[in-house]
Amino acid sequence: EIVLTQSPGTLSSSPGERATLSCRASQSINNNYLAWYQQKPGQPPRLLIHGASSRATGIPDRFSGSGSGTDFTLTVSRLEPEDFAMYYCQQYGSSPLYTFGQGTKLEIK
Amino acid sequence: EVQLLESGGGLVQPGGSLRLSCAASGFTFSDYVMCWVRQAPGKGPECVSSMTGDSIHTYYADSVKGRFTISRDNSKNTLFLEMNNLRVDDTAIYYCARRGSAYAFDYWGQGTLVAVSS
Repeated sequence: EIVLTQSPGTLSSSPGERATLSCRASQSINNNYLAWYQQKPGQPPRLLIHGASSRATGIPDRFSGSGSGTDFTLTVSRLEPEDFAMYYCQQYGSSPLYTFGQGTKLEIK
Repeated sequence: EVQLLESGGGLVQPGGSLRLSCAASGFTFSDYVMCWVRQAPGKGPECVSSMTGDSIHTYYADSVKGRFTISRDNSKNTLFLEMNNLRVDDTAIYYCARRGSAYAFDYWGQGTLVAVSS
């Protein structure tokens, strides 16, 4: 069974700074079917990145994804106040078919 | 505009049943895999069931296999989740989500709360 481990659990940063979030898989993710989501309180998750590095429709270019195999990264180049939220990674393909990480909370320092 | 609207959640006792619905609009419903994703308080999301557009292929997470049944009515653009023998740990917000490019969930509803408690 594949497990996605996100780190850090909480990241404290300031607006204007660069944030780097990590998602590590317990086994290789086929075809880089790795996505990133942002979730704010009381809202559903919003898709940011699919296929490890492709931005979803309408997502600002300060969000970027990279990585392959078992190690993936979400980078926010210059944090805006609205970027402080929970972030989840999700894989497709290995058992279970869809798996989410436990999340990283990006909070204002 | 893509819209997904869930309904049918509520408070139910352990061992009880509920049927969730998701009304879809703004896209060709039958072209897409649809998934029920739940999120327990303070936890990450979990896709508990999905179904292909032609209803042929389904997926169930081990945690719900044998208790939940997914179905869809493409003539009414509606996705369903029949939940039986509910347990306390099924308590969560249940979202309907569309699977898009690279097997990611590109559109989500606002969710419906299922609370299982005696």
